[in-house]
Amino acid sequence: NAGVIQTPRHKVTGKGQEATLWCEPISGHSAVFWYRQTIVQGLEFLTYFRNQAPIDDSGMPKERFSAQMPNQSHSTLKIQSTQPQDSAVYLCASSLEGAETLYFGSGTRLTVL
Amino acid sequence: GDQVEQSPSALSLHEGTDSALRCNFTTTMRSVQWFRQNSRGSLISLFYLASGTKENGRLKSAFDSKERRYSTLHIRDAQLEDSGTYFCAARTGGNNKLTFGQGTVLSVIP
Repeated sequence: NAGVIQTPRHKVTGKGQEATLWCEPISGHSAVFWYRQTIVQGLEFLTYFRNQAPIDDSGMPKERFSAQMPNQSHSTLKIQSTQPQDSAVYLCASSLEGAETLYFGSGTRLTVL
Repeated sequence: GDQVEQSPSALSLHEGTDSALRCNFTTTMRSVQWFRQNSRGSLISLFYLASGTKENGRLKSAFDSKERRYSTLHIRDAQLEDSGTYFCAARTGGNNKLTFGQGTVLSVIP
């Protein structure tokens, strides 16, 4: 079991460019969560999917951020027109159906110059 | 909104000593999960509790089953490899998202 896989590990973008972050949940896990971690705000919930359906996106910034889960083996978080304040570590986690224990990936460190 | 208040924010322990971390919740929580974040940034799950206590080696966690308003993580015989940032996170009754505390930075010194 490789755990939750996130790619890339590091991404540097220029202001105004688009960034796409990838997450492969643990095989067989039906729920996928996205979190963002910064020094100032700590760990913040962004969105989550269950069985590929979006369930709660209450933490997603209303503009420029979107998440998809086109199949059970991967989810993407897309940030359009990136801004320096988007710089953070973006973490993906997954869990089994009916279970609440979350398993996190190693994260993608996004730096917007 | 729902808040998770974690204390202390930082802690230094000598090897071989014991200590406890605490999380207080501003509302009743359904479950709690404790994590350690290592130097590479990986969040490692230590415990998930819906009630009661769990123990794993030198670590033990408890979740107040009556009021469901706090949880503790006890570290016994601290070792250098226990150093890292410890987070608690909790869920309310009608919600599946975890709300995280601000973390405790633990340094174990020889």
